[in-house]
Amino acid sequence: GAGVSQSPSNKVTEKGKDVELRCDPISGHTALYWYRQSLGQGLEFLIYFQGNSAPDKSGLPSDRFSAERTGGSVSTLTIQRTQQEDSAVYLCASSWVNYGYTFGSGTRLTVV
Amino acid sequence: DQQVKQNSPSLSVQEGRISILNCDYTNSMFDYFLWYKKYPAEGPTFLISISSIKDKNEDGRFTVFLNKSAKHLSLHIVPSQPGDSAVYFCAASAGFSGGYNKLIFGAGTRLAVHP
Repeated sequence: GAGVSQSPSNKVTEKGKDVELRCDPISGHTALYWYRQSLGQGLEFLIYFQGNSAPDKSGLPSDRFSAERTGGSVSTLTIQRTQQEDSAVYLCASSWVNYGYTFGSGTRLTVV
Repeated sequence: DQQVKQNSPSLSVQEGRISILNCDYTNSMFDYFLWYKKYPAEGPTFLISISSIKDKNEDGRFTVFLNKSAKHLSLHIVPSQPGDSAVYFCAASAGFSGGYNKLIFGAGTRLAVHP
């Protein structure tokens, strides 16, 4: 597709379960970013992939969070042993040289 | 530690008038600033940007002003239209280099433009 695609759009999970969120960036975009927006908060940086370089993981809030990007394209954000404070909208964005970010519509995660 | 602050969570403006959204930052290394607009259930979309070598950038009804000494930027929308009602995020980056660096976002300002 022409845009950044995220799935699922909504996810409800029980506390303690693991979840995987998927991001399909725009074809050819070498940089991929994950952000999250908690209720009433701004966009919080989580992780950033750029080509074959080591990812910038400085925003991951705990070791329960991890992300990978396979083949320089699709990315998966995994949250292990989910907690209620993990409830948020998780946004993925991709970019290419000299262009700003293009965001996906996000995955709304609710931990009950 | 919030490096980018949008102190007004909401703003209400009459259609046709000017909307002014404000943003303050603390990191003097920031050299590129952007505004994004977000509708409910959609991802943010890019609106306008400004490099630190400029103090103003204009695109149609949207103008961004940058005051480096005050570490302050503002977005002016003139005239405001009902379709401008959305959440506006201010973002900043150090060494943006055309999209290859992480953006730090503010908490957003919800703009409501009423007839």
